[in-house]
Amino acid sequence: AQSVTQLDSQVPVFEEAPVELRCNYSSSVSVYLFWYVQYPNQGLQLLLKYLSGSTLVKGINGFEAEFNKSQTSFHLRKPSVHISDTAEYFCAVSESSNFGNEKLTFGTGTRLTIIP
Amino acid sequence: DSGVTQTPKHLITATGQRVTLRCSPRSGDLSVYWYQQSLDQGLQFLIQYYNGEERAKGNILERFSAQQFPDLHSELNLSSLELGDSALYFCASSSLGRAGDTQYFGPGTRLTVL
Repeated sequence: AQSVTQLDSQVPVFEEAPVELRCNYSSSVSVYLFWYVQYPNQGLQLLLKYLSGSTLVKGINGFEAEFNKSQTSFHLRKPSVHISDTAEYFCAVSESSNFGNEKLTFGTGTRLTIIP
Repeated sequence: DSGVTQTPKHLITATGQRVTLRCSPRSGDLSVYWYQQSLDQGLQFLIQYYNGEERAKGNILERFSAQQFPDLHSELNLSSLELGDSALYFCASSSLGRAGDTQYFGPGTRLTVL
């Protein structure tokens, strides 16, 4: 079974400052990694995902994440945030090889608040 | 807009009642997933269907059931409702239901049990 830990439940950041949202995972098998964003009163939208290859993954809206296998981490970063980035961010994993178990296991979320 | 539709958007009902949540996946997607989002449990996987067949089950209560119809839409049935069932229920769809496929989420159905 997999688990995901998002260490920060809330992160306040000034507008145009950089941000890093932390995600650590635990799994006994290989995993795929995802970051989703949830804007107020909306569903989840995929920001980016890591399946294989380059450990630096670029996503939408200027976000990127780096997969670190030795530290079992997949931290999300953005060099300069905007007011519109205010949302809840979820890190998720799924097993990479087990047919019949493609579900996503989510972390508890990080609420990103941008301060003007 | 993800292309996944869910109805109704809001549902208010009483304890002991039964409700049905409906989901239409993106055009061409064969796999449907149901998730529950609540304050105390977070986002939890309930069940997955692929082309009409159940593929995986998560933390779904015996009072809950789901199915996927030949036109690929899915319904989640919740019965003998309890206060603790109040939550946001999301449906997601993916093209082939494979690991690594992007799951596209609908806007959710907010269920309130009084």
